[in-house]
Amino acid sequence: DADVTQTPRNRITKTGKRIMLECSQTKGHDRMYWYRQDPGLGLRLIYYSFDVKDINKGEISDGYSVSRQAQAKFSLSLESAIPNQTALYFCATSGLRRGSYYNEQFFGPGTRLTVL
Amino acid sequence: KNQVEQSPQSLIILEGKNCTLQCNYTVSPFSNLRWYKQDTGRGPVSLTIMTFSENTKSNGRYTATLDADTKQSSLHITASQLSDSASYICVVSEDDNNNDMRFGAGTRLTVKP
Repeated sequence: DADVTQTPRNRITKTGKRIMLECSQTKGHDRMYWYRQDPGLGLRLIYYSFDVKDINKGEISDGYSVSRQAQAKFSLSLESAIPNQTALYFCATSGLRRGSYYNEQFFGPGTRLTVL
Repeated sequence: KNQVEQSPQSLIILEGKNCTLQCNYTVSPFSNLRWYKQDTGRGPVSLTIMTFSENTKSNGRYTATLDADTKQSSLHITASQLSDSASYICVVSEDDNNNDMRFGAGTRLTVKP
C-alpha cells in the first residue's frame, strides 16, 4: 500500500550494529504496528502504538525498541543486531476501511534485514 | 503452538483451475477472521473479513467460508490466474479493534500457465 512507506527496503548489517527501520504513513491513522515475518511462521507483533505518547510491547519485543516521533512516523530500532533478527519487517497502520465497521491493518512493503 | 494453522503449506495449480485453501484456528474469544494476499516482496493486502455470524464472503473470484462452530475457514479461488500466485494468510482477531491478531504461516500458491 503506497500510503505506508518503509525505509530502507533492504539492509545488510553486521552483528552488534545499531539499526533503525523507519515507517511513514499518509493515512492519518492513529495506530501503528511493527511485525516481523520469518519463513514458515506467521507475522509476529513486535511493538504497537495507539498515538504519539503510547507505546506497547507485542509478542516478541526483546531486542527491539521503538519511537513514535509523530502521528505519521513510527521507527523500529535494533540496538545491537544479532543474526536471528534476520527477517522481513513490516510496518502497519490501523483504521476503518470505508464502509466497514471493523478496523483494518494496512501494511507497508516491508524491509528485508540481514544480520551477518 | 500457533493458534492459526493453514494447509497446505504450498500448492501448485494450472491456470484456469480452482483451488481451496484451509485455515483452522483455536483463537478464543473470536471477533473476526480475515484472508490476506501477500505478493512476493510486498505487504499483505486484505481480501475478505468475516465475523462470527457470517459464513461466506466473496471478493471477485475469491470466496471465503467460515464455520465458527468447528473453527474452520476456507478460501476458494475460482478460475485461477497467473496473478493469483502469492501467499495467502489467514488472520484471526480476538477483538473488534484487531489489536491482537493471530497470523497463520500462510499457503504459498503458484499458478502455472
